[in-house]
Amino acid sequence: DTGVSQDPRHKITKRGQNVTFRCDPISEHNRLYWYRQTLGQGPEFLTYFQNEAQLEKSRLLSDRFSAERPKGSFSTLEIQRTEQGDSAMYLCASIPLDAGGSPLHFGNGTRLTVT
Amino acid sequence: GDSVTQMEGPVTLSEEAFLTINCTYTATGYPSLFWYVQYPGEGLQLLLKATKADDKGSNKGFEATYRKETTSFHLEKGSVQVSDSAVYFCALSVRGGSEKLVFGKGTKLTVNP
Repeated sequence: DTGVSQDPRHKITKRGQNVTFRCDPISEHNRLYWYRQTLGQGPEFLTYFQNEAQLEKSRLLSDRFSAERPKGSFSTLEIQRTEQGDSAMYLCASIPLDAGGSPLHFGNGTRLTVT
Repeated sequence: GDSVTQMEGPVTLSEEAFLTINCTYTATGYPSLFWYVQYPGEGLQLLLKATKADDKGSNKGFEATYRKETTSFHLEKGSVQVSDSAVYFCALSVRGGSEKLVFGKGTKLTVNP
């Protein structure tokens, strides 16, 4: 168990640019979640995958955001035409399919700064 | 919808003081309850959990009891240390669906020597 891995740890970009983040969940964890955390707030749910299927998307996930998990392993989160309001920590988490109330395992996050 | 309300901080205590951080919840189903901790510059770590009414979660001297009648899951520690300085998040997940976590806004704790 190597834990949930996220890359990059930090990303600074100019407004209007596109960015892509990667998440590698714990091996054999079927469920993968993306969250966004802004300064002084709790993490907010963005979307979740069960294997390669994206089963739920928050209304926070605007048209500029897209997430994929093409082979049911790693996932990517892309933000197009970034805005300053997108500056936040983006967290990824995973659990097995039959979690039965078990906690999500979080990565250390990708901190995005849009200038 | 499901939601978590926790005591807003910041909270500042002296070392060895008693800590309580209040957390109440609203859930459509039967939730599991969690406390996560985030140390400066680090990711979210599970501190403790409880999956059914009257369960007590405990870890590192912290405790919280799942109270269904008051829909609460207050975090307590009898004697805090400087190393406990962090942000604490109460969270719930409802079993049988996505099992996504719904978080409170967090409470920042600072413990002074």
